[in-house]
Amino acid sequence: DSGVTQTPKHLITATGQRVTLRCSPRSGDLSVYWYQQSLDQGLQFLIQYYNGEERAKGNILERFSAQQFPDLHSELNLSSLELGDSALYFCASSVKSAGETYNEQFFGPGTRLTVL
Amino acid sequence: GENVEQHPSTLSVQEGDSAVIKCTYSDSASNYFPWYKQELGKRPQLIIDIRSNVGEKKDQRIAVTLNKTAKHFSLHITETQPEDSAVYFCAASISTDYGQNFVFGPGTRLSVLP
Repeated sequence: DSGVTQTPKHLITATGQRVTLRCSPRSGDLSVYWYQQSLDQGLQFLIQYYNGEERAKGNILERFSAQQFPDLHSELNLSSLELGDSALYFCASSVKSAGETYNEQFFGPGTRLTVL
Repeated sequence: GENVEQHPSTLSVQEGDSAVIKCTYSDSASNYFPWYKQELGKRPQLIIDIRSNVGEKKDQRIAVTLNKTAKHFSLHITETQPEDSAVYFCAASISTDYGQNFVFGPGTRLSVLP
């Protein structure tokens, strides 16, 4: 168990709908990363938050948005869903300690989204 | 930005043989290189990592080497076992004021045949 939690585990919805995925980082981790993994594909970086602020953006669609709350949990919102959005969505967390150069990243169990 | 290439995309070995997966990166500022193992439908799990000030690191049957000049790093698994079968991802990472920025390779599917 990495200490990163994600809910829900599975989500089945219809095209055009909107869903929210939730992530709680490991205790003490300030950074949250979101990744999308389509079937048999690699890890596509979507977005990173650090202590409530957006810090890096990858290939995230305009229909997708995220935020990190004061308690450091994060939510990824996916709207106007399309069939191609079906994927595993992973959250990962990492800590940035003062004076620490290298920061390991740990993944949550993922949310499997199926769009019908 | 950073680009990470990974080869081979698939690899089959006999149980007990060694497996080697190679990655190259483009940004010389990358300073941290983790390797992740992902079993079907599960989370990527960190199995070993190497920092830019180290050339080689070993943990039991797993080792990683880094050549900063050539900008490539490799994962070596010796005495492979069926439970080593999984997809392996390399990543190159740059330190920022807000933690690391990770760029992943496309993955290698390793099959260990009994």
